[in-house]
This record gives sequence, structure tokens and C-alpha cells, in this order.
Amino acid sequence: DAKTTQPTSMDCAEGRAANLPCNHSTISGNEYVYWYRQIHSQGPQYIIHGLKNNETNEMASLIITEDRKSSTLILPHATLRDTAVYYCIVVNNAGNMLTFGGGTRLMVKP
Amino acid sequence: GAVVSQHPSRVICKSGTSVKIECRSLDFQATTMFWYRQFPKQSLMLMATSNEGSKATYEQGVEKDKFLINHASLTLSTLTVTSAHPEDSSFYICSASGVRGGYTFGSGTRLTVV
Repeated sequence: DAKTTQPTSMDCAEGRAANLPCNHSTISGNEYVYWYRQIHSQGPQYIIHGLKNNETNEMASLIITEDRKSSTLILPHATLRDTAVYYCIVVNNAGNMLTFGGGTRLMVKP
Repeated sequence: GAVVSQHPSRVICKSGTSVKIECRSLDFQATTMFWYRQFPKQSLMLMATSNEGSKATYEQGVEKDKFLINHASLTLSTLTVTSAHPEDSSFYICSASGVRGGYTFGSGTRLTVV
């Protein structure tokens, strides 16, 4: 599965949009982009995933570039409870395991 | 949505004893289960992958005789840490995937070996 690159950490003001970037320049045509987050001492929580179209759900939006080499997770109105480590993962969704990188530690500040 | 129940959430055991961790998919059939381990301030590391009714496939460096994985049904997988030692203290997390794809994680088990 393709490797991803994310910034180690980011800060965001409460109530503002949090934009988390992810590079996956070696992604192949059948690989999806998944986003999970992990709050301290809990299991990862699914946020959103996509193949090539932009996606939106009640938690976030996922913007995937046309060449699919990068994506951005957008939390439209960050709250303090959104403070977590966010993982961007690329996988072909055929029952293969998710390989976790270092993720981005998002700190939402009052 | 899909739910995976993992327990216990926290366990303390004595060195040399064995500990079993259970992972259940509550509302879907988990054709594949993944077991991860996470040390403090580190990312999740895959330990093994198991398909229902088959032997688990272990990642390099993970001792299959020490970390016994059973996936006898489509809703239950267990990880048994045998002869636990303090260095096995970690956060263990399961993940389940069904026929519709996607990955649902359990809430994790904090193992402390004293």
C-alpha cells in the first residue's frame, strides 16, 4: 500500500476550520484514502474515506486532488473534543490491513 | 454503523501468566480481523491478520507462539498473550473488516504486566 506523509502536529483555534493535509504521491488507481483519528487511550475512530471524488459527511470533508497525490481533511468548525491524532491511510480496500504512519497531532485551542 | 466490542478495556496481570483479549463484531460479520499493538507515544503497529477459520498471518518480529490468535467465528476473535512479561505491557487494539469493506476498531485493551 502507498505510503503517506503528514505534518507531525498542527494547532487550530476553536470554532475555526481545521485543514489537515496528506501527501500520497505513490497512490495507485485502486487505492482509497481513509482518515481515522485517535483520542488518547482509545481505539481509532473512522472519519471518512474516498477514492477520487470529494466526500462529505457529518464529521468532515475530504478533498482529493485531481491527480490523487494528496488530500486534505477538513473539520469545518473544530471543537476542543477534536483534539486527537489524525491518520491518513491509503489502502486498496480488498481486506488488506491498514498501515498507520505517524499521523498529525491536532491541538484545538480555546 | 458497524460496532466492534473489545474487552477487557484494562487488565493487570502478573509476569508469567496469560491474558486473553476478546474482540467481537456486534452487527456485522468480520471476515478479517487485525490485531495491533501501540506503545506510548507511538503509532499502531500491526501484529497479525486473521481470516475466519484460518490460521493468523503474523508480521515479522511477532512471535506466533506468544501471541495466540483465534478467529473461529465471523463475530469473534481472541488474542492471548502467553507467559506475559513487563515488556508486553502495551495498548492492544483489534480491527474488523467485513464483506462490505471498511475497517472498524475496538476501543483497545491496556495491558500492564507486573
